[in-house]
Amino acid sequence: DTEVTQTPKHLVMGMTNKKSLKCEQHMGHRAMYWYKQKAKKPPELMFVYSYEKLSINESVPSRFSPECPNSSLLNLHLHALQPEDSALYLCASSQLGGPITDTQYFGPGTRLTVL
Amino acid sequence: DQQVKQNSPSLSVQEGRISILNCDYTNSMFDYFLWYKKYPAEGPTFLISISSIKDKNEDGRFTVFLNKSAKHLSLHIVPSQPGDSAVYFCAAIPGGGADGLTFGKGTHLIIQP
Repeated sequence: DTEVTQTPKHLVMGMTNKKSLKCEQHMGHRAMYWYKQKAKKPPELMFVYSYEKLSINESVPSRFSPECPNSSLLNLHLHALQPEDSALYLCASSQLGGPITDTQYFGPGTRLTVL
Repeated sequence: DQQVKQNSPSLSVQEGRISILNCDYTNSMFDYFLWYKKYPAEGPTFLISISSIKDKNEDGRFTVFLNKSAKHLSLHIVPSQPGDSAVYFCAAIPGGGADGLTFGKGTHLIIQP
């Protein structure tokens, strides 16, 4: 089983709203990732959690706040977003410990629209 | 500066023939390479990967070749089927830890009946 789930599938929010994206995996993976994908572009890394600790933040604006409550869950808290933040937000996970375990498995994504 | 390059934005192949998708990279630290298939508004689906210590990896209809000296890899799909029509992303990672994937811009593969 290589399933990563994400909720909600679609989200529309105003610039003053606070919302959260959720991601879950039950593969025992110890690394989890947030990526952002704009139309006709490749996914771009936002954050990496390794053993539930934030290990990489790709200079993401503070209006995006990640959280890893436990090894299976990853949240992305959104506040005061801009219309240009509208994109597909992808969560991924990977086992840690060697080349074969570096494969990242992606969830279906959350399509975010900021009005 | 693009560290992973897919120079063909699109590729059209007849059903039953071989599809060859190419990818070049510039970062010598990349140690592990992956191919993902993606439909619009969906997450990427992992297809096949290869470690830098190998030059070939096969999985069913999919084969990935790695030429480390040329910093080039290719994905072969044979025979091509209509369901293979999608965007294919090449990705690379230094390996050995939690790090982000560096993606190419993707190649849109169209399988024609």
